Amino acid sequence: GAVVSQHPSRVICKSGTSVKIECRSLDFQATTMFWYRQFPKQSLMLMATSNEGSKATYEQGVEKDKFLINHASLTLSTLTVTSAHPEDSSFYICSARDGQRAGNEQFFGPGTRLTVL
Amino acid sequence: EDQVTQSPEALRLQEGESSSLNCSYTVSGLRGLFWYRQDPGKGPEFLFTLYSAGEEKEKERLKATLTKKESFLHITAPKPEDSATYLCAVQVKGAQKLVFGQGTRLTINP
Repeated sequence: GAVVSQHPSRVICKSGTSVKIECRSLDFQATTMFWYRQFPKQSLMLMATSNEGSKATYEQGVEKDKFLINHASLTLSTLTVTSAHPEDSSFYICSARDGQRAGNEQFFGPGTRLTVL
Repeated sequence: EDQVTQSPEALRLQEGESSSLNCSYTVSGLRGLFWYRQDPGKGPEFLFTLYSAGEEKEKERLKATLTKKESFLHITAPKPEDSATYLCAVQVKGAQKLVFGQGTRLTINP
């Protein structure tokens, strides 16, 4: 149980284009989803928290117009990197919390490696 | 400010050599402490949740313990497949997000 998938696993795009990453909870309803980015040999950096049906809450320093987050259903959240530039190249990971579990664990997806040329 | 500090940064052990990883935390109020394992190029895998001082959880060769200031992840007779980065995170009361430590890169040599 508590499986989270991400698509795509890898994406390469040209500078200036937009990229959409999907995060799905496969066997539970995710009332809250989180988006992180991770640089090589560093820990996870939280970008935003999204609750189903509500606007995402962005962490300080994260541009909400650049990183668009949509959590339209209890099993799907998307992150769109708009007008991507090489500095946006990173490993993006989503996580989800099961609203019906007593615990507060976050279950993570496998990550998406974004390379902007 | 809520902080999580993990030590050591990296640890190299021989197969079968038991050891412990440390996670020290300073938070306004602890809702839960979480341990994750992360393999290179993958998302973190959930291991344990601890909620109150004195609590312990075990899974195969891993055992997590919690005090009011720190948590330990004890690894008994590790195998090479236990090599990974181990991440500790805390959830503060009243907040949804996790605050992560920098992780400990564990390498088990055969």
